[in-house]
Amino acid sequence: DAKTTQPPSMDCAEGRAANLPCNHSTISGNEYVYWYRQIHSQGPQYIIHGLKNNETNEMASLIITEDRKSSTLILPHATLRDTAVYYCIVTSNSGGSNYKLTFGKGTLLTVNP
Amino acid sequence: NAGVTQTPKFRVLKTGQSMTLLCAQDMNHEYMYWYRQDPGMGLRLIHYSVGEGTTAKGEVPDGYNVSRLKKQNFLLGLESAAPSQTSVYFCASRLDGYTEAFFGQGTRLTVV
Repeated sequence: DAKTTQPPSMDCAEGRAANLPCNHSTISGNEYVYWYRQIHSQGPQYIIHGLKNNETNEMASLIITEDRKSSTLILPHATLRDTAVYYCIVTSNSGGSNYKLTFGKGTLLTVNP
Repeated sequence: NAGVTQTPKFRVLKTGQSMTLLCAQDMNHEYMYWYRQDPGMGLRLIHYSVGEGTTAKGEVPDGYNVSRLKKQNFLLGLESAAPSQTSVYFCASRLDGYTEAFFGQGTRLTVV
């Protein structure tokens, strides 16, 4: 799986958009970008994933650059409950050793009142 | 629909003791995973399984064994616990390689 680089921490004001970057410059053509988050000590929670097109769901939007070397997770109106560690994962869905789901250290997003 | 259930939620072991952590999912998922998370760290993959009867090593497999005799259950065993295995253990499952993973709430293990 391609490696990812995320800032260790970010702050955001409540009600504002939170934009979390992820660099995955070695991503290959069949690899997807997944985002998960972990609130306090709970189990991680899936947010969104995409291949090359921008994606949006009820939780967030995912913007992937045209060259696919980086992406941004957008929480449009951050709340205090969005304070969590956010993980960007790049993995292939085509099997082999890429069945693994490998987490990095993620970004600690702190939403401030 | 309970999702992913981990048993037990908390456990204290003495060095050298053995134990088995159970992960059960009721979503008919093929893939299951065991992770450990140490304080201030991300999740590290211990072992995983892509189907009943199959298992594979992750990033940190030493000191652990796993079994997937039934599709819905993934067991993680510690044969001789060490203080370095003090951690929070998470189990996850997903339907296939295209879908999201669902995580359990974790097992907090302390080895003294």
